[in-house]
Amino acid sequence: DTEVTQTPKHLVMGMTNKKSLKCEQHMGHRAMYWYKQKAKKPPELMFVYSYEKLSINESVPSRFSPECPNSSLLNLHLHALQPEDSALYLCASSQDPLGNNQPQHFGDGTRLSIL
Amino acid sequence: DQQVKQNSPSLSVQEGRISILNCDYTNSMFDYFLWYKKYPAEGPTFLISISSIKDKNEDGRFTVFLNKSAKHLSLHIVPSQPGDSAVYFCAASQPGQNFVFGPGTRLSVLP
Repeated sequence: DTEVTQTPKHLVMGMTNKKSLKCEQHMGHRAMYWYKQKAKKPPELMFVYSYEKLSINESVPSRFSPECPNSSLLNLHLHALQPEDSALYLCASSQDPLGNNQPQHFGDGTRLSIL
Repeated sequence: DQQVKQNSPSLSVQEGRISILNCDYTNSMFDYFLWYKKYPAEGPTFLISISSIKDKNEDGRFTVFLNKSAKHLSLHIVPSQPGDSAVYFCAASQPGQNFVFGPGTRLSVLP
């Protein structure tokens, strides 16, 4: 059982749709992350939130818009995505922000398909 | 430039035997290393970690070895079980930076 919960598990959307991915953790972690993972590749970091503030944006296109409403929730708003954005989107959290020798705990991801 | 390498894309091991997964890194500033296991349709699951002040960390059937001079990390699974069949990622970090993940090794444990 994962302690990081992501919804939905699967999402199919057209290129003109607007949708949101949601992530929730109740471990009291102060850092949360969005990753993108393509088949047979390692996870690629997209965004890092530290104490509810965006601390890292890895040059992600503006069609991906993160939001951290509170310390337990992380959203990823999607708009005008491209077929190459089809991937597994993973959320993770860690007790402390980067570089404090803490593992990140991942959710099971949202499998996103862009038609 | 790949800072974390897992040169074996796949590995097959007989049930009950030892599985050894290897990882090499190039950045001498890395000071914290982890192994994750990933099943299909699930997120990576944290397995075991080691900081650079140690050369070995053990947790049940899993042991991680760190050779800093060789910039080499390995994960030993003893005894291997069919449920260990998954993709294993090693990851490394330095202070203030996010993890750098290796490309993964697919382990198949044969009954």
